[in-house]
This record gives sequence, C-alpha cells and structure tokens, in this order.
Amino acid sequence: EVQLVESGGGLVQPGGSLRLSCAASGFSFSNNWMTWVRRAPGKGLEWVANIKQDGREKNYVDSVKGRFTISRDNTKNSLSLQMNSLRVEDTAVYYCAGGLGFTMSAWGQGTLVTVSS
Amino acid sequence: DIVMTQSPDSLAVSLGERATINCKSSQSLLSSNRNFLTWYQQKPGQPPKLLIYGASTRESGVPERFSGSGSGRDFTLTITSLQAEDVAVYYCLQTYSAPLTFGGGTKLEIK
Repeated sequence: EVQLVESGGGLVQPGGSLRLSCAASGFSFSNNWMTWVRRAPGKGLEWVANIKQDGREKNYVDSVKGRFTISRDNTKNSLSLQMNSLRVEDTAVYYCAGGLGFTMSAWGQGTLVTVSS
Repeated sequence: DIVMTQSPDSLAVSLGERATINCKSSQSLLSSNRNFLTWYQQKPGQPPKLLIYGASTRESGVPERFSGSGSGRDFTLTITSLQAEDVAVYYCLQTYSAPLTFGGGTKLEIK
C-alpha cells in the first residue's frame, strides 16, 4: 500500500521557519518526481515546488522562491520542504505528492501550517 | 506562467444526471501528440485524488462515469449519471511546464 506521511506542521510567527517532512513507503520513491502542493483556508489548490528523481532539478512557484527549499533523500525515502521567512499567506494544509513525470498520483493526508502572531 | 481558467465555479446537478466542467489554458498543452492536462477530485478532509491524466486517460480504479476530453487549450471533465459520492471540488492542472498551475476549482453539489 502506498503511504506518504507528512509531518512538521504547526503554528509559527511571521518571519519564522518550519521544516516539513514526508516519509514514503510502498512507493517507488527514487523513481518518481516529488511535489509539495498546498491549500489555504477557503482557497483552491496551489502547486508549490517539485524535485526530480535525482534531486538535480527543482522548480518553485514564484511566491516561495528564495524562501522555500525542496530536497529529498532517496536512501531514506524522504522528502523535505524548508520554509523560511514565513508569511501569513503561507498558512495552508501542505500535501506531499508524487508520481511519474509531473503527474501526481500518490498523495499524503497533509500537514497544517499556520503563520500567525 | 500558464493560466488555467475553470468554469463554472460551482455546479448543482441532480442524481443520475450529467455534470460537465470546463478548463481552458492560456497556451496549448499539446506536445508530441499528448495533452499535459490532469483532473483531480478533492472531498472535504481528504487529499486530492487523481482522476484523469493526459486529458483523457482514466486512472486505474476510477469509475467509468468519469471521462475527460479536449485538446490544445480547451478541456472538459464529464461525469455521467452523477452519484452522491461525487460531491467534491474538481480541479484541472497543467503539467506541461513549471510552475505547474491549477484551475480555480469547481464545487459540485447535488441539486
């Protein structure tokens, strides 16, 4: 059974940092692109970042460039998202997802990040 | 960046009737005879679920009442014979180029 389990969410003040992690099992992690997608309260889905199988290609949405860093460890089947200089508008449920190419076929349940003073 | 425009924003359909959701991209998603367009379903409290990829290929396990069509810039998700469990928000997503972009979503309800 494919499982992607996110962790690391929580409450943080504006300007603070948080690191999200995603642990994969039952899934060919090293053969798949991995992605972070978020959904802010009352809003739609927003693609945040993705990373190629070997970690050499990374893409980001403009609003997080320079603040967020996606990374992966294929030896541990683990995906991470380092989030710095957090803003109120980064408040959302963050999902880890993966699949062949850019298509995301497997998803985690999500972890809530709340940026508030 | 490619802009994805979904319509309508919300839709109410009677059980057993057809639901149609449209998605238009700001540029063609067609390359090498393949359309880089996917459809997702998201129910409250759940992660998104992949329904359709390549504009028209149904993901394994997805009921046959879900179908995707279209090419280039205009795409449609059709749900024939709506079931109560189909109540959800539906999103299109272009996977043609980064940054990937979702449509704004269509909330589907029972009339």
